[in-house]
Amino acid sequence: QVQLVESGGGLVKPGGSLRLSCSVSGLNISTYYMSWIRQAPGKGLEWISHITGSGRTVFYADSVKGRFTISRDNAKNSLFLQMNSLKVEDTAKYYCARLYGAFDFWGQGTLVAVSS
Amino acid sequence: EIVLTQSPGTLSLSPGEGATLFCRASQSVGSDSLAWYHQKPGQAPRLLISGASNRAAGIPDRISGSGSGTDFTLTISRLEPEDFGVYYCQQFGTPPRTFGQGTNVEI
Repeated sequence: QVQLVESGGGLVKPGGSLRLSCSVSGLNISTYYMSWIRQAPGKGLEWISHITGSGRTVFYADSVKGRFTISRDNAKNSLFLQMNSLKVEDTAKYYCARLYGAFDFWGQGTLVAVSS
Repeated sequence: EIVLTQSPGTLSLSPGEGATLFCRASQSVGSDSLAWYHQKPGQAPRLLISGASNRAAGIPDRISGSGSGTDFTLTISRLEPEDFGVYYCQQFGTPPRTFGQGTNVEI
């Protein structure tokens, strides 16, 4: 059974930083692209980043480019998102997901609130 | 980027009825690059359909997808109570990957 578990969310002030983690079990992620997707309260879904299996190539939405960094540790079967220079509009639930064409396996998400 | 527009915004239906949801793209999406997801309140989205018409594992055959180019349809026959929630379409043929705004199905 595939499980993705996000952690690291919380309340942070504008300009602050957070590092999200996604621990995966039941699936060896080393050969798969992995993604972060977010959902602001009461809003729709927004893809924000994904990373190739090797970790050598990364992609970002314009809304987070230059502020967020995606990375992975295949030995630990884990995915990460370093979020710097956080803005109020980054407030959302952040999901990790396997990218296999579509996003086929999702975690339950971790909440990030950016507020002064 | 490709903008996906879903209609209607809300569907109010009864169990046993059928539902038809639409997703229109601002430019052509490869026929194998459109997915549908279902999200219940407080839960993560769940993949229903990939490649416009291929059901994901465990999805019943009363849920089907069709379409190509710019117009796609998700059809749910014989609605069951667990089918309520928000449905999203998503394209993965042209970066950046984008989602529609969702259709809320009220049972």
